[in-house]
Formats: sequence, C-alpha cells, structure tokens
Amino acid sequence: AQTVTQSQPEMSVQEAETVTLSCTYDTSESNYYLFWYKQPPSRQMILVIRQEAYKQQNATENRFSVNFQKAAKSFSLKISDSQLGDTAMYFCAFMKLQGAQKLVFGQGTRLTINP
Amino acid sequence: SQTIHQWPATLVQPVGSPLSLECTVEGTSNPNLYWYRQAAGRGLQLLFYSVGIGQISSEVPQNLSASRPQDRQFILSSKKLLLSDSGFYLCAWSWGEWAYEQYFGPGTRLTVT
Repeated sequence: AQTVTQSQPEMSVQEAETVTLSCTYDTSESNYYLFWYKQPPSRQMILVIRQEAYKQQNATENRFSVNFQKAAKSFSLKISDSQLGDTAMYFCAFMKLQGAQKLVFGQGTRLTINP
Repeated sequence: SQTIHQWPATLVQPVGSPLSLECTVEGTSNPNLYWYRQAAGRGLQLLFYSVGIGQISSEVPQNLSASRPQDRQFILSSKKLLLSDSGFYLCAWSWGEWAYEQYFGPGTRLTVT
C-alpha cells in the first residue's frame, strides 16, 4: 500500500517570502502521479500542481513549483513570493497509474502567510 | 464548464439517525465519482468511488454506503449514524483521459451528536 508523509504540521512565513513544504511517499509502483492540493478556510480542495513520475522535469504553475526526487521518493512544493491568499492547508497526494484513480493523501501542512 | 454541487453544506444529526448526502456534477457525462471523508485535522480518506451507474467500490469497511442512481449523481448514506461518522465529507469527480485529476465539491460538514 502507498503512504504519503508530510512531516511539517504547521509553517508560517512573511508575505513575499519563499516557502517550501515537504512530502515523502512510499510505493513500489514505477508509474504514478503526485499532486499538491490546497484547502483554504472555505474547506474546498483546489488542485495546485501535478507531477507525472515518468517526467524528469519539475512541474511549475506560476508561483508554485515542485522538486521531485524520484529515487528519494520526495516531492516538495515551493511557493515563491507568497501572498496572504496562500494561507491554507496543503496536502500532498499520490495516485497509481494502473487501476482505479484513487488519491492517497498526506496529513497536511497548515501554512500561514503573515502580513 | 463543469461544476460539482454538494448538499447540505452543514448537517447536525443525532446518533442512530439516518443520513443522506448528495453530490451532483454538471457539464460532463459518465464522470468517475468519489466520496472522501476528512476527520478533524487529518488528511482525506477515500470511502467510495464509482466509474458508472450502479458501479460502486468501497475502500474501507464502515457504517456508510454509497449509490449512484443517475450518471451524475452520487449519494452517501447511512441507516444509523455513529459518533465516529462526524467529519467533513467531500465529493470529487474526474473524467476520461484526464481521470488522474480530481476536482472537489464544496463539502458537507457532518456533526453527529
């Protein structure tokens, strides 16, 4: 079974700073997807970024980028020029390519951006 | 564009009462549908998923059941609620060649008293 671990329960940074959230996972699969989801106070889950395991290039979406280290099974999220609206819970998630598309989530990191 | 609805948004029910949460998706056909539960301060746990009408897969044994009576409707039910059923319930959908991307509804906060 796959497991996803987020070792930072809470983080806090000042507005405009850069912050990196950590995620590690355990799997015997060779092909899979990794995701970062954001859950703001409204509680709705929002997809932030996706990484395909077969791609060596790290995914980037505007201020959000990942550092994907497949051998180390590490998938960190970097938020550049952080904004107050980035305050949220962030969840790392894993999905196998084969079979039903089921997401396995980590426990989450609560990120607070301070003015 | 596609939208996903959940209702009710908030629900307070006594122990032993029945439950029915509804999820509907607009703007797509034959979506994959998912029910997740989020306990307080925890990540999401997949409860059920469906790849078509009447096709339900259960991930964990529990006091809950799911049904898909129509293509874009997914219902989460219980005959008798337990205190441990309290949590935040999220419905999600995915589709076709992009089935690896799931999009979530606004959720239902259930408190069992």
